[in-house]
Amino acid sequence: AQKITQTQPGMFVQEKEAVTLDCTYDTSDQSYGLFWYKQPSSGEMIFLIYQGSYDEQNATEGRYSLNFQKARKSANLVISASQLGDSAMYFCAMREVEKVHNDMRFGAGTRLTVKP
Amino acid sequence: EAQVTQNPRYLITVTGKKLTVTCSQNMNHEYMSWYRQDPGLGLRQIYYSMNVEVTDKGDVPEGYKVSRKEKRNFPLILESPSPNQTSLYFCASSSGQGIPNEQFFGPGTRLTVL
Repeated sequence: AQKITQTQPGMFVQEKEAVTLDCTYDTSDQSYGLFWYKQPSSGEMIFLIYQGSYDEQNATEGRYSLNFQKARKSANLVISASQLGDSAMYFCAMREVEKVHNDMRFGAGTRLTVKP
Repeated sequence: EAQVTQNPRYLITVTGKKLTVTCSQNMNHEYMSWYRQDPGLGLRQIYYSMNVEVTDKGDVPEGYKVSRKEKRNFPLILESPSPNQTSLYFCASSSGQGIPNEQFFGPGTRLTVL
């Protein structure tokens, strides 16, 4: 069963505007972590931000913030003041801490294009 | 510099010709894994290893083998590659402990099987 769902295959945003990338997840575990990675056209995977299931505050890292709504099981990434360099593929991922082998599950990704 | 390295970065091969993609990390991480990335499917785990000599199947292990003889190395072996294994492959490692315990990824290997 799909554990991470990213419903937006592609998104466009005007430079300097904010954009929200959606992510919903499915788990029955109480302890889990949510991650966002950026993949530019060069292909590498860059870790952006993390939210733990027990964290009461939404995570923030510079222009990135995570809008965590636990009851809705959503973990949307918000990028403020978009820049041309933000154009990339973005992946949401989850790790269920109690699982024995501690792996990550990824969504299908959202391709963000920032327009000048 | 802490990093995960993969070689080769690009490879074009033919059906049935055995190949190995190497992966090495210098962070003393216990946990390592291999993923393949395909359009519309995100990253799917092929194999993982929780420590030396401990490996197990992920979601899509068919057609692949791995070994973990040393902590730092985790090669991916395709004994008889087929065109449906054309993909972008990532090796990743993590400490397996603490928070956030994110995975560190290698640069990727783009494999084409003709």
